[in-house]
Order: sequence, then structure tokens, then C-alpha cells
Amino acid sequence: QQQVKQSPQSLIVQKGGIPIINCAYENTAFDYFPWYQQFPGKGPALLIAIRPDVSEKKEGRFTISFNKSAKQFSLHIMDSQPGDSATYFCAPQTSGSRLTFGEGTQLTVNP
Amino acid sequence: EAQVTQNPRYLITVTGKKLTVTCSQNMNHEYMSWYRQDPGLGLRQIYYSMNVEVTDKGDVPEGYKVSRKEKRNFPLILESPSPNQTSLYFCASSSERGRPNSPLHFGNGTRLTVT
Repeated sequence: QQQVKQSPQSLIVQKGGIPIINCAYENTAFDYFPWYQQFPGKGPALLIAIRPDVSEKKEGRFTISFNKSAKQFSLHIMDSQPGDSATYFCAPQTSGSRLTFGEGTQLTVNP
Repeated sequence: EAQVTQNPRYLITVTGKKLTVTCSQNMNHEYMSWYRQDPGLGLRQIYYSMNVEVTDKGDVPEGYKVSRKEKRNFPLILESPSPNQTSLYFCASSSERGRPNSPLHFGNGTRLTVT
């Protein structure tokens, strides 16, 4: 059962570019929309998250855009840096316990 | 330092030999869970626990067992490992009482190889 669809699978940008990663979901009960960042050899860590009562949230160079009617949310990385090279996961959640992660997006930022 | 600790980091074993991967958190979190990460499949939930003595199946529970006898510990048990359980495993915890609507804190992973 495909509840969460993340795209693209991989993304290569030049330093300073603005990579965009998308996450589409089916469950309209989701009420918390986080993005996790994972570096090689480490567990994922929360990067930024949004609740459904706002359409956009910005933290530093990272922005989440949320489109409730389209059931999707996106991660934008402004002025991307080589240190942003990592795998990114969306993981929309609801009260209850099952958590479904997207398949992940491997981002490479070239110098 | 607040953290989730998994042991061991690396484990190579043979088919059928029972093993346990330990997970401990020092943040007094109610919610704990186990995931496996495989290329192209992302993170899939194996089991989760809302509180002590309360556990439930995730999306891929077959071949795994868990227990939650204490709040801080949530071991993952493979009674009879098979090669298709070769994977990278993560334990995670969360602070919300009875709800995972808060950030998950992950351990650094256990890479398991079953030959």
C-alpha cells in the first residue's frame, strides 16, 4: 500500500542551486509533516517540520511548502552547499502509531 | 547527552542463529520503534511501542520480535535470522505521550549481515 510517494529518487545540483524534493501522500488524517536528513553512517535526524494549519515554514536555508488540497509537501533548499549532500526522507504522521517514510532522495551538491 | 544507543553497530551472523540488537534511550521517551532501511525502499517500520508492555506490529514484522519491559529499552530479537533480513536497522524514540506526532530521535544504526 503506497501511502507516501517521494520524488525524485536522486538529485544532483551545483553549489548555490535550489533543489526541490516532493512528497505526496494519501492519508488525509496526517497532521504532522516532517523532513529528515540522513548522512552516511548516521541515523536520520529531523530537519524541519510543518503542521497543516500553515502553508509554508522557513528555517534558515530550508523551506517546507505545504499544499493540503493537493496532498503534497515539498522541501526547498536555498543556496545549497556541498555539506547539504545527504539523503532526505519525508515522513508524514498522524496521532496513532504507524509511521510511513518516503523512499528517500539522495541529494548531491557539487562544489 | 540525550541519545538513542544501539548495539552492536555491525553484526555478521549465520542463518538460524538467534540474535538480539539492543536499543536504549535516556530521554524518558514513551514511544519507541524499530525500522529497517534497504536501498530503494526507504525506512520501513518493523515494530513500535507506545509504552511499557505495549507493542504493536509495523509494516514488516515477520521474523522479528520485540519486548518493552522497561521504558528506556526496546530490544529487537531475531529468533531465526535469514539472509533476507540482511539490512541496516534503526531504533528511534519520541517524546509525545501515546503519540508519535513529534520528532523521532534515531540511533546510529546496526548493520546486520546474515549469511
